[in-house]
Amino acid sequence: DTGVSQNPRHKITKRGQNVTFRCDPISEHNRLYWYRQTLGQGPEFLTYFQNEAQLEKSRLLSDRFSAERPKGSFSTLEIQRTEQGDSAMYLCASSPRTYNEQFFGPGTRLTVL
Amino acid sequence: AQSVTQLGSHVSVSEGALVLLRCNYSSSVPPYLFWYVQYPNQGLQLLLKYTSAATLVKGINGFEAEFKKSETSFHLTKPSAHMSDAAEYFCAVSEGPYQTGANNLFFGTGTRLTVIP
Repeated sequence: DTGVSQNPRHKITKRGQNVTFRCDPISEHNRLYWYRQTLGQGPEFLTYFQNEAQLEKSRLLSDRFSAERPKGSFSTLEIQRTEQGDSAMYLCASSPRTYNEQFFGPGTRLTVL
Repeated sequence: AQSVTQLGSHVSVSEGALVLLRCNYSSSVPPYLFWYVQYPNQGLQLLLKYTSAATLVKGINGFEAEFKKSETSFHLTKPSAHMSDAAEYFCAVSEGPYQTGANNLFFGTGTRLTVIP
């Protein structure tokens, strides 16, 4: 099964540290999305890539957040100077564009102490 | 702009009983609608989707949903609940056939389904 994979699955860090997450989308999916899900809430859109181009960013994506998708394959999401409010599940999804059906990875759960 | 309202953050049903999870949407353009299921500490799995074809959509695990434009609703049903259906369910909306931009999903706050033996 070559679904969306995310690493690491869990990350515990201290406030002020930098963290980086990786997402490997389904091959040949040119669209890639990052979402954030906090406890008791639905996922909220963070950013979107079409191939290697980051085309849209949510207001939730503060300047401490940066995302890349070099060569249009895997993507990374970096959070600098983490804050306790960054604690959440970070979900990656990819889409082949057809009907915008998005396939989600298992997520990376971030805990900031 | 798109948004979703899921009525009832928690729903409990007996095993074998009808499951009904409610979703109402708001969209300024013809929408696509989705139901996802999430098991603890896992990502989201697509149950079914409405993409402007048939208004009654059948999905996996015996679930189905009906798109009602006049009511702006997309409720999820299953005739007979199984213990394995216990999970969190999310309704989501995106721009439909005339999509532009990111066309990201807008999710509701979810409904936790408990199945009582």
